[in-house]
Amino acid sequence: QTVVTQEPSFSVSPGGTVTLTCGLNSGSVSTGSYPGWYQQTPGQAPRTLIHSTNSRSSGVPDRFSGSILGNKAALTITGAQADDESDYYCVLYMGSGIWVFGGGTKLTVL
Amino acid sequence: QVQLVESGGGVVQPGGSLRLSCEASGFTFNIYGMHWVRQAPGKGLEWVTFIRYDGGDKDYADSVKGRFTISRDNSKNTLYLQMNSLRVEDTAVYYCAKGKKIADKIYYVDVWGKGATVTVSS
Repeated sequence: QTVVTQEPSFSVSPGGTVTLTCGLNSGSVSTGSYPGWYQQTPGQAPRTLIHSTNSRSSGVPDRFSGSILGNKAALTITGAQADDESDYYCVLYMGSGIWVFGGGTKLTVL
Repeated sequence: QVQLVESGGGVVQPGGSLRLSCEASGFTFNIYGMHWVRQAPGKGLEWVTFIRYDGGDKDYADSVKGRFTISRDNSKNTLYLQMNSLRVEDTAVYYCAKGKKIADKIYYVDVWGKGATVTVSS
């Protein structure tokens, strides 16, 4: 069974930089997985940040960037702000129309 | 702007059925694929199903295959999710989402609705 892995939690200081990762329990993440990233605050619907590894959705500030680091997809937030405190989910394309989300990373800004 | 409004959620007993609807506005519905994604209470996101813009292609997560059916009525700008043989573990907020094509037959989850709550309980 394919499992998409994310750090359960992470913390960053205001103004700092943090990199969240998204991997596979077996195998490597590549651009062919079309990795995407979503931000969700409690009680709200998710918001799309990044698709296709590094393409920002409309209105997303350039403090958010996506990449492939080694065998994982990565979301980097530079100049972290208080309202970046959220849950972040990655998603990978598995082929045959199937997408699988990671378990999410709870980001604390303090 | 894009708006997606889900309806039809509620409480249902295990083994029962429910149909969710998602009314779309602010974009040309009949040229976009659409997804359903769910989130169990206190848990992460789970992709459920996708339908191509013309209803010709449908994909399902293994957890719902054979029990859930996605469909759409382009004349009504509405997406549906028919859920049968419901289980306690299907309890979740169900989000309707607009797909955006990024490659041949590949549509990512782009814009999200606010969600509809489904509770399966006896």
